[in-house]
Amino acid sequence: DTAVSQTPKYLVTQMGNDKSIKCEQNLGHDTMYWYKQDSKKFLKIMFSYNNKELIINETVPNRFSPKSPDKAHLNLHINSLELGDSAVYFCASSQDRVALPDTQYFGPGTRLTVL
Amino acid sequence: AQKVTQAQTEISVVEKEDVTLDCVYETRDTTYYLFWYKQPPSGELVFLIRRNSFDEQNEISGRYSWNFQKSTSSFNFTITASQVVDSAVYFCALSEAAGGTSYGKLTFGQGTILTVHP
Repeated sequence: DTAVSQTPKYLVTQMGNDKSIKCEQNLGHDTMYWYKQDSKKFLKIMFSYNNKELIINETVPNRFSPKSPDKAHLNLHINSLELGDSAVYFCASSQDRVALPDTQYFGPGTRLTVL
Repeated sequence: AQKVTQAQTEISVVEKEDVTLDCVYETRDTTYYLFWYKQPPSGELVFLIRRNSFDEQNEISGRYSWNFQKSTSSFNFTITASQVVDSAVYFCALSEAAGGTSYGKLTFGQGTILTVHP
């Protein structure tokens, strides 16, 4: 049973296109996240949602729009893709962020390549 | 603002050697959590350990051990008798408790690439 899943695993597209990455968790967690890992392996948070409500938005361009239809899903839509968007995008989830931060469990990642 | 520094970019050892990965953090919070994650060549991020700021007890799990010292803001990770399967990128991360401006997010260090040679 996959705890946090992402689709697709690989995404190759042309500059200027719009694309979406989907994330689903079956852990019953309340909070979900998107992280970006660049070519130097540096991981940085992009967004966080708690029970479908946007909690964290870390200076990400407006071309990136997260959408959470329910607390088990957090999708990432990217408009007008640029070369610099090429990276690995990780989805994660955790139980609750109200009190002490809980462990975040990560999906397998989506490698986005913009040509 | 919180910050995590992993000064060792790459470490190379021979199998069965012990290796310690360093992690130093900065935070203004008195309540926070520290984490270690492993990223093997296959690319996924695997959770290894979580430690809260009030618990300075060292932890051992098989060949892995962690040394948390608040006095030096360090949370170091030691692998004893390393194996080829330990080859991966290891990340240290910090998360602040609720109430802070950056709570709920993980701030990662730059990662340490560990290569274990047979």
